[in-house]
Amino acid sequence: SAVISQKPSRDICQRGTSLTIQCQVDSQVTMMFWYRQQPGQSLTLIATANQGSEATYESGFVIDKFPISRPNLTFSTLTVSNMSPEDSSIYLCSVERAGVGEKLFFGSGTQLSVL
Amino acid sequence: AQSVTQLDSQVPVFEEAPVELRCNYSSSVSVYLFWYVQYPNQGLQLLLKYLSGSTLVESINGFEAEFNKSQTSFHLRKPSVHISDTAEYFCAHDNYGQNFVFGPGTRLSVLP
Repeated sequence: SAVISQKPSRDICQRGTSLTIQCQVDSQVTMMFWYRQQPGQSLTLIATANQGSEATYESGFVIDKFPISRPNLTFSTLTVSNMSPEDSSIYLCSVERAGVGEKLFFGSGTQLSVL
Repeated sequence: AQSVTQLDSQVPVFEEAPVELRCNYSSSVSVYLFWYVQYPNQGLQLLLKYLSGSTLVESINGFEAEFNKSQTSFHLRKPSVHISDTAEYFCAHDNYGQNFVFGPGTRLSVLP
């Protein structure tokens, strides 16, 4: 398995500000994923972060709004920029460990509320 | 486009009753199938998975799911639920690494 530490666990932010979410994994992984879970909904993939290259964003998500860093094989950050109340969601970091037959491991999430 | 359908958004059951959470997927090729569970105020945890081999897979806490290729289903079942099983359950499939798709989730509420 993989142990994923994500912080902050929750935050309340003002409109127009930015929040950076950190994700630390206990072992080196190639691919890290950032998901958004809006209230009452399922998970939506925001982007895939590979070390040493720019993140790959899914349709509907752009780098200016959700810049991602991946400085090494155990760490990534997601920034939610210029926040609005519509950004209130749970943001989840995930890693892939295909080698052990369990596709995705998730952090405990960051619950973001934007006022 | 690939998709995962969970027809029941909420399933209330009494403790010790059986439960089935339905999942159907659309894919023109073989896939990996997963059930994830999200307990209140926690992240997602893998409950069980089907990769290949036996179509019936089991978890350590009594849940099982059966892969049915002809019906493109992967329903989750438990013969007797506990209060502690109250959670959100997500079905997901992975098209051999092409994309990982989650269903909308089913909220299981176990009543005393």
